[in-house]
Amino acid sequence: KAGVTQTPRYLIKTRGQQVTLSCSPISGHRSVSWYQQTPGQGLQFLFEYFSETQRNKGNFPGRFSGRQFSNSRSEMNVSTLELGDSALYLCASSLGGFPDTQYFGPGTRLTVL
Amino acid sequence: AQTVTQSQPEMSVQEAETVTLSCTYDTSESDYYLFWYKQPPSRQMILVIRQEAYKQQNATENRFSVNFQKAAKSFSLKISDSQLGDAAMYFCAYLYGSQGNLIFGKGTKLSVKP
Repeated sequence: KAGVTQTPRYLIKTRGQQVTLSCSPISGHRSVSWYQQTPGQGLQFLFEYFSETQRNKGNFPGRFSGRQFSNSRSEMNVSTLELGDSALYLCASSLGGFPDTQYFGPGTRLTVL
Repeated sequence: AQTVTQSQPEMSVQEAETVTLSCTYDTSESDYYLFWYKQPPSRQMILVIRQEAYKQQNATENRFSVNFQKAAKSFSLKISDSQLGDAAMYFCAYLYGSQGNLIFGKGTKLSVKP
């Protein structure tokens, strides 16, 4: 099976812009989770989607949002970008139930100038 | 709050030798799961090993094994016969039911010397 894919791999944006990142899960996986990785804060959970519904949300401002489509592909959007949003954004997929193992994509490196 | 602590920011091991990475966690849950993930320079997070808290037997995957001490809330990773390809950041992670998301430690950077 193909692994989790994320597009684009790299993005450069300026402050105030918005950005959309995409994640395609492993075939058959219905849950997609998003994580932000920075040198200072480490890996932090953003949100999780299952069957097109947000099932779980981390402690991030409302500028961070996401959605999931009927084919389980997911997008996350960050509006009004700030310098501190520069990070590696990782997507992980799982079958969907607890305690399924999460498998990660290669990440999208976002740089905000 | 559940927390995961990796007290060794960096470790080094000679090729073919054995190294142990430490991880402790804090939880009041009884049903949870623990993971070790590896993140090489390519940044792809790769699952190394998984341990169910209800299982007394330590998980093993080829050269990778864990020492799970539930009472001490300790979950260390042992890498035997270290290879150059083992060089990476290693993250300990915790998963429990009511949240369903992984909680990660800060990571340990492992270097392997030829």
